[in-house]
Amino acid sequence: DGGITQSPKYLFRKEGQNVTLSCEQNLNHDAMYWYRQDPGQGLRLIYYSQIVNDFQKGDIAEGYSVSREKKESFPLTVTSAQKNPTAFYLCASSLRKGQGIGEQYFGPGTRLTVT
Amino acid sequence: DQQVKQNSPSLSVQEGRISILNCDYTNSMFDYFLWYKKYPAEGPTFLISISSIKDKNEDGRFTVFLNKSAKHLSLHIVPSQPGDSAVYFCAASIINSGGGADGLTFGKGTHLIIQP
Repeated sequence: DGGITQSPKYLFRKEGQNVTLSCEQNLNHDAMYWYRQDPGQGLRLIYYSQIVNDFQKGDIAEGYSVSREKKESFPLTVTSAQKNPTAFYLCASSLRKGQGIGEQYFGPGTRLTVT
Repeated sequence: DQQVKQNSPSLSVQEGRISILNCDYTNSMFDYFLWYKKYPAEGPTFLISISSIKDKNEDGRFTVFLNKSAKHLSLHIVPSQPGDSAVYFCAASIINSGGGADGLTFGKGTHLIIQP
């Protein structure tokens, strides 16, 4: 069954600790994205990657870092520099060519709570 | 400054009637538009999309209309069903020349409630 998996579903951390959120896809998509959602808000783009070993900052990249060593995986690290890390984090992927090029498919999300 | 706006935080529609969700955008560079349906604590589910070269796209009960001159799009759901109750997000992107999109810009969502 093709899809995007994010783990864990819920994550709790103490302030000052870095934490890494996992995102894996088996859709053979080249592009992957990270968004965060806050209550009453739309999703905001953190980082994205169009191909392996390349990634770009989105609208709210400060305090986050990513890597893209494999096509299937795009982990997001929330560092201690992120001022308001508590949020719902969503990973997505999409094709880069052909029909459906603009359609992004989302994972189930990770709820991160930092206290 | 919001580039994609959904001005109705909520909308209540009777079962069987038409639901119309609206979305406005300000960035004329956007050339691809999407609608997503979302339940709390879950990822958004893709519903339907439209390219800027079209003004209408239909898929079953869902139709998206695009008015480029007004920078406005709408999602029509007919007939509305109880399972349609969810938050609906409008999103826009720019398809870059190298392939792919740089990321989606989302509105804040409209909570659709279908009443029996």
